[in-house]
Amino acid sequence: GENVEQHPSTLSVQEGDSAVIKCTYSDSASNYFPWYKQELGKRPQLIIDIRSNVGEKKDQRIAVTLNKTAKHFSLHITETQPEDSAVYFCAASRADSWGKLQFGAGTQVVVTP
Amino acid sequence: NAGVTQTPKFQVLKTGQSMTLQCAQDMNHEYMSWYRQDPGMGLRLIHYSVGAGITDQGEVPNGYNVSRSTTEDFPLRLLSAAPSQTSVYFCASSSTPRQPQHFGDGTRLSIL
Repeated sequence: GENVEQHPSTLSVQEGDSAVIKCTYSDSASNYFPWYKQELGKRPQLIIDIRSNVGEKKDQRIAVTLNKTAKHFSLHITETQPEDSAVYFCAASRADSWGKLQFGAGTQVVVTP
Repeated sequence: NAGVTQTPKFQVLKTGQSMTLQCAQDMNHEYMSWYRQDPGMGLRLIHYSVGAGITDQGEVPNGYNVSRSTTEDFPLRLLSAAPSQTSVYFCASSSTPRQPQHFGDGTRLSIL
């Protein structure tokens, strides 16, 4: 089955700097890659997603890149703010899996003023 | 617009007890799923459903049962609670399997 590895497990950045989280996946048939943000005690919330027919997607300060050949995808947060502090999860699924998401273990991001 | 509603929010059980975690959505979503979240392990899929009357197992189904009699509801049953089932449980739904999943607020379950 699919295996998703996520790095780093913790990330501390100064406010205004950029943060990058990387995930690798094992199943070459995976074609949908969402990213979720989870604040302490809250539900996971989708922040951005990408499908395998595109290499990059941006939404204001957030961007995701996908390298299908290398089977890895990354989340980039620019101009980080204290409210970006949270746990971020990557996930992957394949078209024939009826949406069964395989999640990474998560990255705790701490933005210090 | 309530979205995905989970009840209860907190529950403490004794080993061997059974209980049902409730999940309801008001978005007419066909696809629903249950995850458990444990520290350092992300979210793991327990069971999922692609429509009323259709369910299937996820990554960690042992000790749990589900049914889907209506589009709106997808309850998760713990048959005989064990300490290893102490976790935070999330229910999620989407309009199709290829659309983003919307999560409920979670149920925090402790098994003593």
